[in-house]
Amino acid sequence: QSVLTQPPSVSAAPGQRIRISCSGSSSNIGNNYVSWYQQVPGTAPKLLIYDNDRRPSRIPDRFSGSKSGTSATLGITGLQTGDEADYYCGTWDNSLSGPVFGGGTKLTVL
Amino acid sequence: QVQLQESGPGLVKPSETLSLTCAVSGFSLNSVYYWGWIRQPPGKGLEWIGNIYHTGSTYYNPSLKSRVTISLDTSKNQFSLRLSSVTAADTAMYYCASLYCSSTSCYSMRFDYWGQGTLVSVSS
Repeated sequence: QSVLTQPPSVSAAPGQRIRISCSGSSSNIGNNYVSWYQQVPGTAPKLLIYDNDRRPSRIPDRFSGSKSGTSATLGITGLQTGDEADYYCGTWDNSLSGPVFGGGTKLTVL
Repeated sequence: QVQLQESGPGLVKPSETLSLTCAVSGFSLNSVYYWGWIRQPPGKGLEWIGNIYHTGSTYYNPSLKSRVTISLDTSKNQFSLRLSSVTAADTAMYYCASLYCSSTSCYSMRFDYWGQGTLVSVSS
């Protein structure tokens, strides 16, 4: 049972746009920044978004993040088959005094 | 470029101690980062195990705290994980990673760099 809640799966066609939600509480998302990670099958997670909406320089602007209250959203536009992966949200939890993650969302590009 | 590489046994017997090492290259352990361990059971999500700072301060997931020890070897630029009294539930891919925290409160945190992971199975 993950502290942060994500939909198990999402799918869309190439070229389309999707959004992945991440829901938490005032103990975590509500008072801290959110980061997002992409995990292509068989590989380690990779940082995609940090501080809610900032991208590392190597990440294309097709990927975006936002936060409102105790929820965060990852957006991906112009879907490509290479975007098929599991996506995880993460943040600091003040009650746990440590990082917490969502359960992950599997993106399928049809 | 920062690189992390896990190493250690891929098979551990129940009730024994799991020991892993993470070698860091391209960056000193004596830096802004915390150095941490995260695990992922087969087909499941990510679970934070714990972190260590270059001062030696450690921070553990309360659910694992009684069994976990993370330590540093700055002379070799590596850090280690020990998890005692393992059971089949500890079977997972274990990742080491660098954790950036904005301050002591970590209101802004991110795992910047990850090792490739090492699969540890607990079985007799």
